[in-house]
Amino acid sequence: DVKVTQSSRYLVKRTGEKVFLECVQDMDHENMFWYRQDPGLGLRLIYFSYDVKMKEKGDIPEGYSVSREKKERFSLILESASTNQTSMYLCASSQGGLGGNQPQHFGDGTRLSIL
Amino acid sequence: GQNIDQPTEMTATEGAIVQINCTYQTSGFNGLFWYQQHAGEAPTFLSYNVLDGLEEKGRFSSFLSRSKGYSYLLLKELQMKDSASYLCATMLDGNRKLIWGLGTSLAVNP
Repeated sequence: DVKVTQSSRYLVKRTGEKVFLECVQDMDHENMFWYRQDPGLGLRLIYFSYDVKMKEKGDIPEGYSVSREKKERFSLILESASTNQTSMYLCASSQGGLGGNQPQHFGDGTRLSIL
Repeated sequence: GQNIDQPTEMTATEGAIVQINCTYQTSGFNGLFWYQQHAGEAPTFLSYNVLDGLEEKGRFSSFLSRSKGYSYLLLKELQMKDSASYLCATMLDGNRKLIWGLGTSLAVNP
């Protein structure tokens, strides 16, 4: 079974802090994704990566950056946390290249609160 | 543009059958996924359709009509544990990203 592991289930940080969310997958997947999910807004893509050191902006990249130094690990960074970044953050990974039909597999999510 | 529509909420009775619809308008299309998400948990993959027709997997079936931009998820012999949100997502041709619907919250009552 595919295992996607997010470093924290719950996290509380203060405004202005730099926040790191870590995600590791164990299936040698090429693609990795970071989403946030908010009530009424659904899943929104922040960034994704299709190879080591490669990244592409999703729909809402502002205020975030990412790092993929190793194939199995994809980190999301909140440069200077703000209260409007309080959300559920979900990491996902998938096999394959362009237009692939492989499903995305999700981690358990990190519920991040910015105070 | 890209757009996916699905009903916001549905209610059904334990033991019954329910059909959750999804319509999409996309400039390219390379398949449609259904996911289940229980409250407070991550989405889990249910099914994938790229060709027209019905795919059956146990109590769950998924149907696709590419010409109509339409899919449905059929849940039979409903159980209380089927109470969850059901997300429809399309894969664009030549793209690694999914376009997600907002999800249909299904409540199964005894």
